[in-house]
Amino acid sequence: NAGVMQNPRHLVRRRGQEARLRCSPMKGHSHVYWYRQLPEEGLKFMVYLQKENIIDESGMPKERFSAEFPKEGPSILRIQQVVRGDSAAYFCASSPGSAVGEAFFGQGTRLTVV
Amino acid sequence: QQPVQSPQAVILREGEDAVINCSSSKALYSVHWYRQKHGEAPVFLMILLKGGEQKGHEKISASFNEKKQQSSLYLTASQLSYSGTYFCGTEIGSSNTGKLIFGQGTTLQVKP
Repeated sequence: NAGVMQNPRHLVRRRGQEARLRCSPMKGHSHVYWYRQLPEEGLKFMVYLQKENIIDESGMPKERFSAEFPKEGPSILRIQQVVRGDSAAYFCASSPGSAVGEAFFGQGTRLTVV
Repeated sequence: QQPVQSPQAVILREGEDAVINCSSSKALYSVHWYRQKHGEAPVFLMILLKGGEQKGHEKISASFNEKKQQSSLYLTASQLSYSGTYFCGTEIGSSNTGKLIFGQGTTLQVKP
């Protein structure tokens, strides 16, 4: 669990700014998933990526949100022109992906838009 | 698509048992159970695959009824450390993608 690294842990942005959230999966994991959690609510799927490929982005808002998982480096979730409604905890999870297995979650990034 | 968990909240005394249910309107490939404490990351508890299997993890076990599209998490002889919010995450369909659709959560509070 501690192997999935997310940074920053806390991020404050003013309305209209960009937010970049980073996720380094566990060693050997090639599948990354991003989830959003609003206060006192459950986890909402956003996007599923493998190296250099977006597999499923059905939970991602059509505008302002994008995600990537380059060949080298962490996965990035980018939110452009943030609004107050974007304030939430964003969790990244990783899995080996080749078979049904547990997904390990990072500690999350708590985004606050002021 | 979101599975429904029941009950929404449970308060127990140490040593008591609890059952948390997770129901889906869609055919499920697998069910994953997580526990999350306030301000922390969800922690994996167990996976159940279709086939009606039951799994156990210390005093926590779970079952998966594929036909009913339901899973139940059983907490026996609860401990204070069991307090938190429990989420079921479901993989929908006939194969695994790893993409989980989570229920709204069940908050469990264990009192001394």
